[in-house]
Formats: sequence, C-alpha cells, structure tokens
Amino acid sequence: QKEVEQNSGPLSVPEGAIASLNCTYSDRGSQSFFWYRQYSGKSPELIMSIYSNGDKEDGRFTAQLNKASQYVSLLIRDSQPSDSATYLCAVQGSGGSYIPTFGRGTSLIVHP
Amino acid sequence: ETGVTQSPTHLIKTRGQQVTLRCSSQSGHNTVSWYQQALGQGPQFIFQYYREEENGRGNFPPRFSGLQFPNYSSELNVNALELDDSALYLCASSLGQGSSYNSPLHFGNGTRLTVT
Repeated sequence: QKEVEQNSGPLSVPEGAIASLNCTYSDRGSQSFFWYRQYSGKSPELIMSIYSNGDKEDGRFTAQLNKASQYVSLLIRDSQPSDSATYLCAVQGSGGSYIPTFGRGTSLIVHP
Repeated sequence: ETGVTQSPTHLIKTRGQQVTLRCSSQSGHNTVSWYQQALGQGPQFIFQYYREEENGRGNFPPRFSGLQFPNYSSELNVNALELDDSALYLCASSLGQGSSYNSPLHFGNGTRLTVT
C-alpha cells in the first residue's frame, strides 16, 4: 500500500511570512512528485512538479525533494491571503505506474 | 487548448439509483483518471483508462465502472448508490503511457454528487 502523509493543519501564517508544507511517502521507488493547490469547493490545480533531488523554484514557490529521506516539501515565500487553500502532495511513478497517490492535504491560512 | 470538462456540475440522487458522470479530456491527452474526494480528504483513486482500456483500479467495489471512448473522453458509472458515495468526483487527464511517467494530472472542475 503506497502512502502519502501530510499534516492536515491548519497551518496559520501571517501575510508576508514563509509557509512551509511537508509531505512524506512510503514508496521508495517513486519518481515524480507534484504539489496541487485546491481552493474550497474547487478542483486541484497543479502548482509545482519536481523529479530530482534538490530544490526547484518557480516564482514565490520552491519545491524541495529528498528521496533518501522520502520527503518532499513546498515553501511559499511572501505568503498572501490568496494563498489560503488546501495543498495536496501527490507521488507517482513506481514500477511503471502512472497513477499518482495523493495525501489528504494541508490547509493553509494566511491572515492579514 | 481545451481543458478538462466535466458534466454535470452538481447532481442529487436517491440511494439505490444509478448515475453517469462524463468527462472530456484535455486536447492531446490520452489518459483519463477518476478520483473520489470526500469532504476534508485527499482524492482517492477510482480507476484510470488509457486508449479505452482500464489501466489500474483503486479500492472501489465493482458497482463503480467506467468507459473511455476513441476520442479519449470518459464516463464514470455508479450503480446502487449509497449515502457514502456523496462526494466530489474528479476527472483528470494526462499524457500517461506512451509519453512519460512525469506527466502531471490536469483536473476538471468536478461533479458534486449528493446521495439522499
């Protein structure tokens, strides 16, 4: 059973701060890692993908991957109230599988 | 580029009834995946279709079935609806096999199903 674990939160940060969201996974052979943002009542929206160890930056977002520790994280710099949403971690790609497994998501609240 | 579209947006059914949800994949995508998302939970994988064949199935009973058509659109059918089937049903398309396992999912807006 492939598992993806996330703290459900809520994680509350003040506007302008760095929000740090974490995810661990059980399948050591996983190859692809994604972060999705989901606003309340809406569908998930892809915001970051990462495939190799290290950091990947895109605007205010940085994804970090450590395959040895089976850990992936998302940093949001200069957090804005509009970043308030649930962030889903998805892990994919072991054994020829193209089926990502999702965590339950972390609720982020950015307060003014 | 046309995105993933799902219909209907909302649906209310009675326990024991049957429902069909529809999905049109994003242009150029050959793989469709269906997920069920209960309130406060992450999406749970139902099944995936690639070139009209079921390519994987999650831990859902046989009363959940699906189809993929030659144009890569897809249907999710649920028979004998139960109260616990109330959820947001998400369809996602991707390039899937034949391309790369790196292809992320692109979700439609979902169908909110309520079973009373």
